[in-house]
Amino acid sequence: QLQLQESGPGLVKPSETLSLTCTVSGGSISSSSYYWGWIRQPPGKGLEWIGSIYYSGSTYYNPSLKSRVTISVDTSKNQFSLKLSSVTAADTAVYYCARHKGSHYGMDVWGQGTTVTVSS
Amino acid sequence: DIQLTQSPSFLSASVGDRVTITCRASQGISSYLAWYQQKPGKAPKLLIYAASTLQSGVPSRFSGSGSGTEFTLTISSLQPEDFATYYCQQLNSPITFGQGTRLEIK
Repeated sequence: QLQLQESGPGLVKPSETLSLTCTVSGGSISSSSYYWGWIRQPPGKGLEWIGSIYYSGSTYYNPSLKSRVTISVDTSKNQFSLKLSSVTAADTAVYYCARHKGSHYGMDVWGQGTTVTVSS
Repeated sequence: DIQLTQSPSFLSASVGDRVTITCRASQGISSYLAWYQQKPGKAPKLLIYAASTLQSGVPSRFSGSGSGTEFTLTISSLQPEDFATYYCQQLNSPITFGQGTRLEIK
C-alpha cells in the first residue's frame, strides 16, 4: 500500500533554510486528483498545515507561512519537498507529509514524521 | 481563515462510556470536515471525512455528524485503545485544525 517517508536534517541553525523531502512508495505521486501536503506539530502543541502541492504542480500555502515556504515535486523520484526559510526556534516541530484529495476528503496517508530542531 | 474550536479540550472517561466531542467552525464549511486520532509519538490517523463518512478500517463505534458550523465526533463505547487526542480539520484552503481534545482514562 502507499507509504510516505520524510527525510532531512534533524538540526537547523537559526536564520537558515529547513529542507525536507517526502518519498512516496507503493504508488505514483503523479496520480490524478491527489494533493501532497506538509503539516507540523510543535512539541506539546496541535497540528498546523504548512502547505500542499497538487499532482499537477499547483501549490497552496498557509498564509501565515507563505512568505517563507516553497513546496515542489519531483515526479522522476516520486518525491515532494519542503523548504522553509529564515527559521527560528518557533519552527522547531515534528514535520509530517501526507496525502489528500479534495475538500470533502481527509488526509488518508501520513508519513511517520521527522523531528526538526532549530538551534545554534 | 476558518477557525475551528473543539470542546472540551480535555475529557476524562471510562471504558464502555459514550463520549462526544464537538467542533465549531467560525463560518459555514458545508460538510468539509474530517476527524483524526493521534496517539503519543505517532502520526494522526484519519477516522472520518466529509463530516460523517467512516474511513475504511475504522471501527463502527466511531461516528460523525453535522454540517455548516457545528460537528460532532461520537465514540459509542470507549475501548482502551481509544484513549488519545482527537482533532477536527477543515479542508477549504487554508486548511485548519481544531486545537485538539485529549481523551484520558478516568
